[in-house]
Amino acid sequence: DVKVTQSSRYLVKRTGEKVFLECVQDMDHENMFWYRQDPGLGLRLIYFSYDVKMKEKGDIPEGYSVSREKKERFSLILESASTNQTSMYLCASSTAGTSKNEQFFGPGTRLTVL
Amino acid sequence: KQEVTQIPAALSVPEGENLVLNCSFTDSAIYNLQWFRQDPGKGLTSLLLIQSSQREQTSGRLNASLDKSSGRSTLYIAASQPGDSATYLCAVNDDYKLSFGAGTTVTVRA
Repeated sequence: DVKVTQSSRYLVKRTGEKVFLECVQDMDHENMFWYRQDPGLGLRLIYFSYDVKMKEKGDIPEGYSVSREKKERFSLILESASTNQTSMYLCASSTAGTSKNEQFFGPGTRLTVL
Repeated sequence: KQEVTQIPAALSVPEGENLVLNCSFTDSAIYNLQWFRQDPGKGLTSLLLIQSSQREQTSGRLNASLDKSSGRSTLYIAASQPGDSATYLCAVNDDYKLSFGAGTTVTVRA
């Protein structure tokens, strides 16, 4: 079974802090994704990566950056956390190509910024 | 821009009844469609993936159909159980990314 793990289930940070969210997958997937999920807005793509050191902006990249130094690990960075970044963050991975790339999700990180 | 709609937003049924969940999308040029289940406060669990060339996909009590030309997919859950209570999300893949519907929250009453 594909396993996608996220470093924390719950996280509480202060406004202005730098925040790192880590995601690891064990299926040698090329693609990795970061989404946020908010009530009434659904899931929105922040960034995705299709290879080591490669990244593409999603729909809402402002205020975020990402890092992918190893194939299995994809990090989301909040450079200076703000209260409007309080959300559920979900990481996903999939194989390369578009026709059969079923996405598998991690358990999520609930981030609260005070 | 792809728009994905799920109706109804919520559904409550007695145990044993069959569930029918609907998903519609605006751009039929998709690669595949994926159905997910989400329990409260948890991540998404992939249930079924239907390729654009397929009409349906089955897994146990779950059956999903796809009519690409009309921009519709339906998820059927046979003989519902209280453990089926969750939010069900559909997502279409029309490039590298998924566009999600808002979900249907299902409650199965014992």
